[in-house]
Amino acid sequence: QKEVEQDPGPLSVPEGAIVSLNCTYSNSAFQYFMWYRQYSRKGPELLMYTYSSGNKEDGRFTAQVDKSSKYISLFIRDSQPSDSATYLCAMSDFSGNTGKLIFGQGTTLQVKP
Amino acid sequence: DADVTQTPRNRITKTGKRIMLECSQTKGHDRMYWYRQDPGLGLRLIYYSFDVKDINKGEISDGYSVSRQAQAKFSLSLESAIPNQTALYFCATSAWTGASTDTQYFGPGTRLTVL
Repeated sequence: QKEVEQDPGPLSVPEGAIVSLNCTYSNSAFQYFMWYRQYSRKGPELLMYTYSSGNKEDGRFTAQVDKSSKYISLFIRDSQPSDSATYLCAMSDFSGNTGKLIFGQGTTLQVKP
Repeated sequence: DADVTQTPRNRITKTGKRIMLECSQTKGHDRMYWYRQDPGLGLRLIYYSFDVKDINKGEISDGYSVSRQAQAKFSLSLESAIPNQTALYFCATSAWTGASTDTQYFGPGTRLTVL
């Protein structure tokens, strides 16, 4: 079993829809949770991060962490065609200052006009 | 100019050839990473380096080697390329603040095909 599981999709939604992207994980030591966005033919870029449990909002994006269920989510409100990309969750325990990230497989999202 | 650059951007080679992928950064970060990305498998860490004298194996280092020539340069080598090393390769950098999340900044990637 992979440490981090993410449904690869693809996920196709109409413009304006609410999108929910999810990851589950097995390592209870993970403390930092991140979402990276990757446009076609580009490298991933950090979209949001959260520490431990709770919610974090940034514009149309909300990141949610439920450590008791080992489950994290990224919600996109009022989705736009420009949101079409692959979204990767990533996690770390930062033990020993390793800074190593464990990534999910990525979910490909297409927002249709 | 991009903060993290990778050369070449695309490479086609044959089985058994030696290949070097190069990464340079102008962000002044100490930490550098090499990942490969395969469909359905996400990003997997090959090697990482916390400074010029500190190099560590990642999840999938077999068949690869690295060299940290300077703080700003980190190269990945495939000594004898094989077809299952066909993938998208990313270099990333990060700074260590010691107090918060370690954001990694990725280069544009190198698409490697081994025939």
